[in-house]
Amino acid sequence: SYVLTQPPSVSVAPGQTARITCGGNNIGSKSVHWYQQKPGQAPVLVVYDDSDRPSGIPERFSGSNSGNTATLTISRVEAGDEADYYCQVWDSSSDHQVVFGGGTKLTVL
Amino acid sequence: QLQLQESGPGLVKPSETLSLTCTVSGGSISSSSYYWGWIRQPPGKGLEWIGSIYYSGSTYYNPSLKSRVTISVDTSKNQFSLKLSSVTAADTAVYYCAAPSDYYDSSPPFYWGQGTLVTVSS
Repeated sequence: SYVLTQPPSVSVAPGQTARITCGGNNIGSKSVHWYQQKPGQAPVLVVYDDSDRPSGIPERFSGSNSGNTATLTISRVEAGDEADYYCQVWDSSSDHQVVFGGGTKLTVL
Repeated sequence: QLQLQESGPGLVKPSETLSLTCTVSGGSISSSSYYWGWIRQPPGKGLEWIGSIYYSGSTYYNPSLKSRVTISVDTSKNQFSLKLSSVTAADTAVYYCAAPSDYYDSSPPFYWGQGTLVTVSS
């Protein structure tokens, strides 16, 4: 089955740029989605199809995907961005499987 | 704008069957989404996809759970449900129902329920 690898944690100071990676074999050939999850809440989709943003998501959130790594970039990080972030793909080669990365805890220093 | 709400027992005994229902409002379950899915999250851990049922009626399950999972739709009640048999403590988790906002195979879950904690314990 397809595996997505994320760093357990990323720390960044307010106002700086956070980059959260998601590694997978030839992930550049897949559409990657990103979710933000705050404690006690359901996940919220912040980036879909590699780099698109749902309505209402700030432009500070952006995504890219190439080769074996997809990246979620959060510019001008705010305290309210502190959360867990998950990447996700749909693995068409494995019968409609939905795969999540292990998640990354973003800490705003 | 769809709204999803999970319901079901918060406590299930080991070896029994976990049964949850997701009630859909804001649209018909027959036509308002490409698929309906279940995702779970053990306490302090990450998200795990359980399975999905598509508008066509086809179901797809996580291979690690496939032998124990059934997802079905009840159009008369505008609900879809999850059954997970032979549960153990490892099945203790917050269970979410979810659905996409777009109609293509890789569309991500966009609408989520608030989640319901199910504890497996005697």
